[in-house]
Amino acid sequence: DAKTTQPNSMESNEEEPVHLPCNHSTISGTDYIHWYRQLPSQGPEYVIHGLTSNVNNRMASLAIAEDRKSSTLILHRATLRDAAVYYCILRDVNYGGSQGNLIFGKGTKLSVKP
Amino acid sequence: GAGVSQSPSNKVTEKGKDVELRCDPISGHTALYWYRQRLGQGLEFLIYFQGNSAPDKSGLPSDRFSAERTGESVSTLTIQRTQQEDSAVYLCASSFDSLYYGYTFGSGTRLTVV
Repeated sequence: DAKTTQPNSMESNEEEPVHLPCNHSTISGTDYIHWYRQLPSQGPEYVIHGLTSNVNNRMASLAIAEDRKSSTLILHRATLRDAAVYYCILRDVNYGGSQGNLIFGKGTKLSVKP
Repeated sequence: GAGVSQSPSNKVTEKGKDVELRCDPISGHTALYWYRQRLGQGLEFLIYFQGNSAPDKSGLPSDRFSAERTGESVSTLTIQRTQQEDSAVYLCASSFDSLYYGYTFGSGTRLTVV
């Protein structure tokens, strides 16, 4: 019962921007949109999260559609180190405990070409 | 340390033996999660600890799996009578708050049952 849909894979060129899409058409009003990434042979790494407004941090930007049914993770300038699996996850803050747990899907495997 | 520390980083064990995996969360993090990731697969939730509340064990795959956490510190995941299907990377994550903050993951313990 995956709540988000992401492309299986994407390719990017080094030093170019990357837009990673995520569809979440059944999102509820209390679902936060979280993004994590997992580099090869490492644990997942938190990237960014948001509720309604676009968010920026040192790693990336998160653009959230006005109807909240989709979002886009933006890497402004891809580097080889950004090659990873990117996970888009919804997390309902109305639930305590592991009902508000992060449920990881298959994510998008991003390849970055030199 | 500054991050979530897991030990050992690698463990090879014989089928039928018991193993114990350790997780040192970030100091002050009240929430602690265990996940399992089989080769080429996504993350599976195993168990969740939040402060002094009873742990949520709903993700444990069988009664051979158990976990403990002392207060808000170290956690151990024990697998009894290991089977080959237990081979996976076991990931631990911690967070200040289970609802609004992102998780910090460790690098995992790679368990191989031969």
